[in-house]
Amino acid sequence: DAKTTQPPSMDCAEGRAANLPCNHSTISGNEYVYWYRQIHSQGPQYIIHGLKNNETNEMASLIITEDRKSSTLILPHATLRDTAVYYCIVRVENTDKLIFGTGTRLQVFP
Amino acid sequence: GAGVSQTPSNKVTEKGKYVELRCDPISGHTALYWYRQSLGQGPEFLIYFQGTGAADDSGLPNDRFFAVRPEGSVSTLKIQRTERGDSAVYLCASSSTIGPSGTEAFFGQGTRLTVV
Repeated sequence: DAKTTQPPSMDCAEGRAANLPCNHSTISGNEYVYWYRQIHSQGPQYIIHGLKNNETNEMASLIITEDRKSSTLILPHATLRDTAVYYCIVRVENTDKLIFGTGTRLQVFP
Repeated sequence: GAGVSQTPSNKVTEKGKYVELRCDPISGHTALYWYRQSLGQGPEFLIYFQGTGAADDSGLPNDRFFAVRPEGSVSTLKIQRTERGDSAVYLCASSSTIGPSGTEAFFGQGTRLTVV
């Protein structure tokens, strides 16, 4: 079963920051938070992952709360091509088995 | 190509028939995963291989589903006596390492299976 809760959908204006929340209140100490996205008719694409420190890469930033019970994925300047379903996943230690939930459908509008 | 390749991209079969779906992972990736995705749902884990062996097959729905990876590279997902409920997109992914933090899994475009 998915261990995360996400809003089913969100909208964001092009050029603005998209902030996608995720709750993972039952996360344990060694479980990582992963984010993937899936653009229509494509396979999921890795975005970023983290344990407890905030992380940033060329695609996004990941902010994890101090108690690790929630996180936020930030797309700093959303474009129309960022329209996709975004999945927040808690990955069990020492396994790459990803348990997907239903994700957040992000719609970026002009 | 450099990515995960899945063939065929589309497969239509009659109820009761046998099908094989193929996955070519990224060269050198030791871990390979199969997922199934129904319309409007997130991908559902089926099985994962570390090298040639199935490290976790807990997601296979029943004994009609079987997967192999005999040489630790290409994998085949086999479905016997297909049912209409097996219709879905079957996704394959591969990754290079397993460890505490894991690593990025690369997904193929999937095989859309339709059982009529």
